[in-house]
Amino acid sequence: GIQVEQSPPDLILQEGANSTLRCNFSDSVNNLQWFHQNPWGQLINLFYIPSGTKQNGRLSATTVATERYSLLYISSSQTTDSGVYFCAVKDSGYSTLTFGKGTMLLVSP
Amino acid sequence: NAGVMQNPRHLVRRRGQEARLRCSPMKGHSHVYWYRQLPEEGLKFMVYLQKENIIDESGMPKERFSAEFPKEGPSILRIQQVVRGDSAAYFCASSPTGDGEAFFGQGTRLTVV
Repeated sequence: GIQVEQSPPDLILQEGANSTLRCNFSDSVNNLQWFHQNPWGQLINLFYIPSGTKQNGRLSATTVATERYSLLYISSSQTTDSGVYFCAVKDSGYSTLTFGKGTMLLVSP
Repeated sequence: NAGVMQNPRHLVRRRGQEARLRCSPMKGHSHVYWYRQLPEEGLKFMVYLQKENIIDESGMPKERFSAEFPKEGPSILRIQQVVRGDSAAYFCASSPTGDGEAFFGQGTRLTVV
């Protein structure tokens, strides 16, 4: 099956800093999603982005499908951004999302 | 439009009992997926269902676990004779199509004592 690798595994930021999270995948995909799992365990949809670039407030994402990676940018980070960020992909031959192991982000005041 | 609804949010069962987890997909979504998350780990796929059909159950243990998504009512994930290793958070997701954006419920945290 498809492999998904996320980096870095852990990240500590000062409030106000910017960060870039990376997701590499081993095969072509027809679905890629970024999620934020907050400290209460809730999974929140950030982006549905199998290709191209999208922006939503302080967050943006870019997927370069031909090179098999996606990037999540967080600007002016806030303490509420803390949690685990997951990338999940689906290739054309498989029916469900495969998750990476996540990047754990801690934003300190 | 309400999101994906899971209940109960928390469930405690003694070893050997049965656990029933419920998931109501978003309105208009006919594709349902169940995932399990162990502490400090990512989400692992268990089973994919469409109304009345199991499409892919390759991630579900062959014994003690079963899932259904009837024509009427929520999807049910059933775990018989629970063991301590079944303790985990179980998430349900739904999507409008097989390739569409998936939305997750808040999860059911199962604790086996």
